[in-house]
Amino acid sequence: GQQVMQIPQYQHVQEGEDFTTYCNSSTTLSNIQWYKQRPGGHPVFLIQLVKSGEVKKQKRLTFQFGEAKKNSSLHITATQTTDVGTYFCAGHNFGNEKLTFGTGTRLTIIP
Amino acid sequence: NAGVTQTPKFQVLKTGQSMTLQCAQDMNHNSMYWYRQDPGMGLRLIYYSASEGTTDKGEVPNGYNVSRLNKREFSLRLESAAPSQTSVYFCASSESGQVRQFFGPGTRLTVL
Repeated sequence: GQQVMQIPQYQHVQEGEDFTTYCNSSTTLSNIQWYKQRPGGHPVFLIQLVKSGEVKKQKRLTFQFGEAKKNSSLHITATQTTDVGTYFCAGHNFGNEKLTFGTGTRLTIIP
Repeated sequence: NAGVTQTPKFQVLKTGQSMTLQCAQDMNHNSMYWYRQDPGMGLRLIYYSASEGTTDKGEVPNGYNVSRLNKREFSLRLESAAPSQTSVYFCASSESGQVRQFFGPGTRLTVL
């Protein structure tokens, strides 16, 4: 079955440093979504990428979808304490409503 | 709007006991989902319902049953709980198709 892996599993950064998490799918995806989960909370949708090579920005967050539509990345510039949480990618296969989640990257910030 | 609500928030069961997790959404969404979240494994789909009256298995359906009672409500039943079902359970909903999902606050279940 489809697998979606994320690296790293954990990342500790000093406040103000940059952070990147990478997502790789075993199959070509129709689209990819990113979610953020605060400690003790539930996943909250951040963004969806659909086109090959697509890049989208939300303030300090930059999301990329690979040319082959099998990988994606999330980059946060100048991290802040509010960025703490676990970031998940999740992909749809073509013609399927089922969403396969990645294993997540847990970000902690050292003030 | 409350969004997606789940009950209960916490539950402790003994092995072999049964229980039903309740989920409701007030966004008039067609699709609803049940996930479980275990440390280091992300979220795994248990069952989903693309519309009222339909359900389909996800990645880890064994040991669970679901009921799409109406458009608003989607329940998850554990007939005979096992320690391996200790997890955090999330319900989610979305409009039809490959669109964003809205998650409930979760139910933290421990099976002793």
